[in-house]
Amino acid sequence: GAVVSQHPSWVICKSGTSVKIECRSLDFQATTMFWYRQFPKQSLMLMATSNEGSKATYEQGVEKDKFLINHASLTLSTLTVTSAHPEDSSFYICSVAQNEKLFFGSGTQLSVL
Amino acid sequence: SQQGEEDPQALSIQEGENATMNCSYKTSINNLQWYRQNSGRGLVHLILIRSNEREKHSGRLRVTLDTSKKSSSLLITASRAADTASYFCATDPSTGNQFYFGTGTSLTVIP
Repeated sequence: GAVVSQHPSWVICKSGTSVKIECRSLDFQATTMFWYRQFPKQSLMLMATSNEGSKATYEQGVEKDKFLINHASLTLSTLTVTSAHPEDSSFYICSVAQNEKLFFGSGTQLSVL
Repeated sequence: SQQGEEDPQALSIQEGENATMNCSYKTSINNLQWYRQNSGRGLVHLILIRSNEREKHSGRLRVTLDTSKKSSSLLITASRAADTASYFCATDPSTGNQFYFGTGTSLTVIP
């Protein structure tokens, strides 16, 4: 299946700063990538669907100005958490769909102090 | 929310026993999938069952699907300590191309 690389795997930042997370599809041209958020011991919540060359589609309740998504190429999507606050601390994970299955990056643990 | 629900939330069994977890969902689907997640890691695809299928096997995994009840079950037979992980069902709705995950079952297999 598709190989997905996500970076960084762990980031700590001060409140008010912005953090960029990269998701790369290494062996598959992904026109669509999915960004999920996961709180400890909870399920994955779909945040947005990233579309190459066009605007991302955000799920209800997700602030698009807070979570900026850029999908400039078929192999790279980025999620920027702008002006991060402690409540944004979470595990963020991206995925691509290939042959009806999802293949995930290893995730990014964000801790906002 | 389109998120499904799973039960039990947590399951602890002895090595060698079978583990069964259930998933319920809300919308019409194209297929339902099960994923496994080790703590703090990404998810790994286990098995996919289509909406016109009722049962599917893969190694020690057995999945059933009841579209009339909007539910699925995952059975892991002869469990091993290495099966310890969280298991999630995910649905691919008939409308749109998003995937929605269930609440997950945390499985602990005691050696």
